[in-house]
Amino acid sequence: EAGVAQSPRYKIIEKRQSVAFWCNPISGHATLYWYQQILGQGPKLLIQFQNNGVVDDSQLPKDRFSAERLKGVDSTLKIQPAKLEDSAVYLCASSLDDRVGQPQHFGDGTRLSIL
Amino acid sequence: GESVGLHLPTLSVQEGDNSIINCAYSNSASDYFIWYKQESGKGPQFIIDIRSNMDKRQGQRVTVLLNKTVKHLSLQIAATQPGDSAVYFCAELGFQGAQKLVFGQGTRLTINP
Repeated sequence: EAGVAQSPRYKIIEKRQSVAFWCNPISGHATLYWYQQILGQGPKLLIQFQNNGVVDDSQLPKDRFSAERLKGVDSTLKIQPAKLEDSAVYLCASSLDDRVGQPQHFGDGTRLSIL
Repeated sequence: GESVGLHLPTLSVQEGDNSIINCAYSNSASDYFIWYKQESGKGPQFIIDIRSNMDKRQGQRVTVLLNKTVKHLSLQIAATQPGDSAVYFCAELGFQGAQKLVFGQGTRLTINP
């Protein structure tokens, strides 16, 4: 079974620029998550999709972050404009559904550095 | 609960010894807990989970213990191997506006040869 695919692996931009990350979840997984992991900390959920609908985006800074999963499969996360504090690894995860006990499978993330 | 700071707690063990990694969780209403392993440059990898109606669960070389009285979770790794070197996170399924997985700070496990 292929895992969660993310690209790019690394991205370096200057503050106030825009950036986008892409995620392709495991085939058949209805639930998709985006997490932000700052160095030395655990991942923090930004947004959760169930198919193409948003379940929870309460921790997404909506003035600069946006995400979509238009066809209920792959997803993009965008930051516009980027700030220095956005430097982090952005992880995508997917699960079969959102029931308790369904493990989340993570991709290897995109490491974003803001200059 | 939420992690703070840049310095991860660390645990160093000799190869072949047993490792015990501890975690304090924040929400007494949480009913599902997971341990993840994260190697450098990789995403977190599921190790084992436990529901609040259990106090112990065993997997291959790993055991998770849950003490709801003191809101404490531990991961025991038997016969630690070099490949076990990683950062280990506990996560609780909490409710913060909506049901979501909340990760702890993490512990870096180093295996000495």
